[in-house]
Amino acid sequence: QKEVEQDPGPLSVPEGAIVSLNCTYSNSAFQYFMWYRQYSRKGPELLMYTYSSGNKEDGRFTAQVDKSSKYISLFIRDSQPSDSATYLCAMSAQEGAQKLVFGQGTRLTINP
Amino acid sequence: DAEITQSPRHKITETGRQVTLACHQTWNHNNMFWYRQDLGHGLRLIHYSYGVHDTNKGEVSDGYSVSRSNTEDLPLTLESAASSQTSVYFCASRRDRGETQYFGPGTRLLVL
Repeated sequence: QKEVEQDPGPLSVPEGAIVSLNCTYSNSAFQYFMWYRQYSRKGPELLMYTYSSGNKEDGRFTAQVDKSSKYISLFIRDSQPSDSATYLCAMSAQEGAQKLVFGQGTRLTINP
Repeated sequence: DAEITQSPRHKITETGRQVTLACHQTWNHNNMFWYRQDLGHGLRLIHYSYGVHDTNKGEVSDGYSVSRSNTEDLPLTLESAASSQTSVYFCASRRDRGETQYFGPGTRLLVL
């Protein structure tokens, strides 16, 4: 069983929809949780970073962490075609972004 | 502007050949990482380094080696390329106590 599980999709939604992306994990030592966005043929770039449980909001993006359920989510409101990308969750038991463990990535398409 | 670069961007090689992928960053980050990305597996850590002359094995290190002779570079060597090493390779760097790893553009390697 993988340490981090993420539904690979693909996920296709109409423009303006609310998108929910999720990851589950098995290692209770994970304390740092990240979402990366990866456009086609590019390297991943950090979208959201959270420590421990709780919510974090940044514009149209909200990251949620539920450590008791070992479950994290990324919500995208008012989705735009420019949000079309692969979204990868990543986690670490060490400070910050050291030794990340990634999910498989979810490929998201926002249709105009 | 500071950046992280990878070369070559595309490489075709034959099984059994030695291949070296270059990674260069101008941020003066101590921490550098090599990942491979494959469908169904997401990003998996190959090797990482916390500073000059420091190297560590990651999750999928068999058949790969790295060396760190200066802060800016972490070359990845495939000692004897195998078809199973056909993949997209990403290099990343992170400053001490940083919240993110910054990824390069990737190298697409095909082993025939």
